[in-house]
Amino acid sequence: GEDVEQSLFLSVREGDSSVINCTYTDSSSTYLYWYKQEPGAGLQLLTYIFSNMDMKQDQRLTVLLNKKDKHLSLRIADTQTGDSAIYFCAESKTGANNLFFGTGTRLTVIP
Amino acid sequence: DGGITQSPKYLFRKEGQNVTLSCEQNLNHDAMYWYRQDPGQGLRLIYYSQIVNDFQKGDIAEGYSVSREKKESFPLTVTSAQKNPTAFYLCASSIQQGKRGYTFGSGTRLTVV
Repeated sequence: GEDVEQSLFLSVREGDSSVINCTYTDSSSTYLYWYKQEPGAGLQLLTYIFSNMDMKQDQRLTVLLNKKDKHLSLRIADTQTGDSAIYFCAESKTGANNLFFGTGTRLTVIP
Repeated sequence: DGGITQSPKYLFRKEGQNVTLSCEQNLNHDAMYWYRQDPGQGLRLIYYSQIVNDFQKGDIAEGYSVSREKKESFPLTVTSAQKNPTAFYLCASSIQQGKRGYTFGSGTRLTVV
């Protein structure tokens, strides 16, 4: 498809792992990103992965990249109430001068 | 501390009036961007600029205008031609065409009554 796709909503219990999925469009995208947006705020860059990597881990965050299926995921271990936010994936397409964002996934953490 | 500042945070305007949203960065970034965010629709690109005195239309430029007279500043004007201007507007900047990701401002919520 033409768009970066994400599920709109995800709910998890505090302490469980969260997995947020994203399907992107350009198999030659060089960088893929995850951003977090808290209510009424701008987007904060959480992490990014180069297209020649399969996985990247940063503390509680694990990014998995499946280039064949153009699938990106963000796993948050031991999810906390402070992780409740909207999470956006974004891709940097070949030849484009800007990033392309998904619709965002609203993560709700239930105490 | 370096950062990107949007002002004001909330803005109310009457229908038919033009309004200008401010975006200033002191990160020495070359590229700047304006996005519009509506519920359930993600971010849509309005305009972007890679260098001073140059800018390009994004996906939804109709009813908007920008200028880039200084590297630090990229104001967005929402004109009366924009049919549905009520939204959350986000400004961002990057070192070089987004290859290191964007730094975002905190946004301006515009309500037209």
